[in-house]
Amino acid sequence: RKEVEQDPGPFNVPEGATVAFNCTYSNSASQSFFWYRQDCRKEPKLLMSVYSSGNEDGRFTAQLNRASQYISLLIRDSKLSDSATYLCVVPKGRAALIFGKGTTLSVSS
Amino acid sequence: DTGVSQNPRHKITKRGQNVTFRCDPISEHNRLYWYRQTLGQGPEFLTYFQNEAQLEKSRLLSDRFSAERPKGSFSTLEIQRTEQGDSAMYLCASSWVPGLTINEQFFGPGTRLTVL
Repeated sequence: RKEVEQDPGPFNVPEGATVAFNCTYSNSASQSFFWYRQDCRKEPKLLMSVYSSGNEDGRFTAQLNRASQYISLLIRDSKLSDSATYLCVVPKGRAALIFGKGTTLSVSS
Repeated sequence: DTGVSQNPRHKITKRGQNVTFRCDPISEHNRLYWYRQTLGQGPEFLTYFQNEAQLEKSRLLSDRFSAERPKGSFSTLEIQRTEQGDSAMYLCASSWVPGLTINEQFFGPGTRLTVL
């Protein structure tokens, strides 16, 4: 199993749709997880941190299933501005972040 | 602007030349990281510094790559004898870490390297 694996998509959804991305990770000892967002030709920016079973921030919900070693990101009521690549991130060791390849989301009107 | 800055933003070089990139982290951050990102991939960790000490290097960081952070502030990443496979976006990030906590890393805009 790869260290961090994501479905690359692309996911093409209309405005207002609900979309979910999944991510699996190989290191069962990982304690914290992140979702970063990366716009085209821009740097990654932190979207959400996940330290326990899950986290919710407005339209975004991240859930963690330690037994199955997967993390999900749910986006409700999609906006055009949500179009981006969403990167699943798992820390390794004391400092390195291991990024998935990213899942591309395109929201259309 | 108090974010992470990188210079240059773009660099085109010929194979075999040496290049050097600079990163200025957020001023109060004690950790600085270098990543490389190629098209269609997520960023890949290269190395990191805590203050001026380089504490970890990825096996991706070949002997042609060297990074420094001499005064614990800005950092430079040098690539010697560039190869076409070095073409990528080189991202710098910084964070404030008290102890062993994995905290949010703030990324700079990157330096896009093209090796002809």
